[in-house]
Amino acid sequence: EVQLVESGGGLVQPGGSLTISCAASGFTFNSHWMHWVRQAPGKGLVWVAHSNSDGSSTSYADSVKGRFSISRDNAKNTLYLQMNSLRVDDTAVYHCARDQIQLFDLWGQGTLVTVSS
Amino acid sequence: SYVLTQPPSVSVAPGKTAILTCGGYNIATQSVHWYQQKPGQAPVLVIYYDNERPSGSPERFSGSKSGNTATLTISRVEAGDEADYFCQVWDTSSEHPFVFGSGTKVTVL
Repeated sequence: EVQLVESGGGLVQPGGSLTISCAASGFTFNSHWMHWVRQAPGKGLVWVAHSNSDGSSTSYADSVKGRFSISRDNAKNTLYLQMNSLRVDDTAVYHCARDQIQLFDLWGQGTLVTVSS
Repeated sequence: SYVLTQPPSVSVAPGKTAILTCGGYNIATQSVHWYQQKPGQAPVLVIYYDNERPSGSPERFSGSKSGNTATLTISRVEAGDEADYFCQVWDTSSEHPFVFGSGTKVTVL
């Protein structure tokens, strides 16, 4: 089955760190650019970061630049998002999504990251 | 940065037609994609490149655009269509080109 499954979310204090993962299956992971998109509770979708197919090129939204780092392990078919210096406004469900030239054609259900003291 | 505007909510009776709009400056020159998201679930692509339907997307879903407005039309609405719908463009003039609208909640009466 073609799917993306996120994991690793949880409760973290402001200023803390967390790494979340996205396991891909059913397709050739190393052929696709991948993204993280987040959704604050009751809010819309916001693009966070992207990685090209081999991880050599990445980009970030201004709101997370310098604090978050996207990476991937193509041998394990897994995408990661390392999040440092977390803030309350980083609280969201984080979805990984597969790129299909200007759009996202496959999404995971997401993992909830809550930043609170 | 490019902004997409969607009405917060649309209500429609079963069997009727729901018309969802997505406003953006000169959106007719952009490719518009639409996603459906049911509570607690992953978003699902329902229309891409303005009016193309991916495999699995019902024929009842169609897209169009003109001027500053893109439209997602859901014909013969069913209870299972109740969801949030987001439009998205790839704005080449932006450093970070993936732009989403704020979403429209479709309620089936």
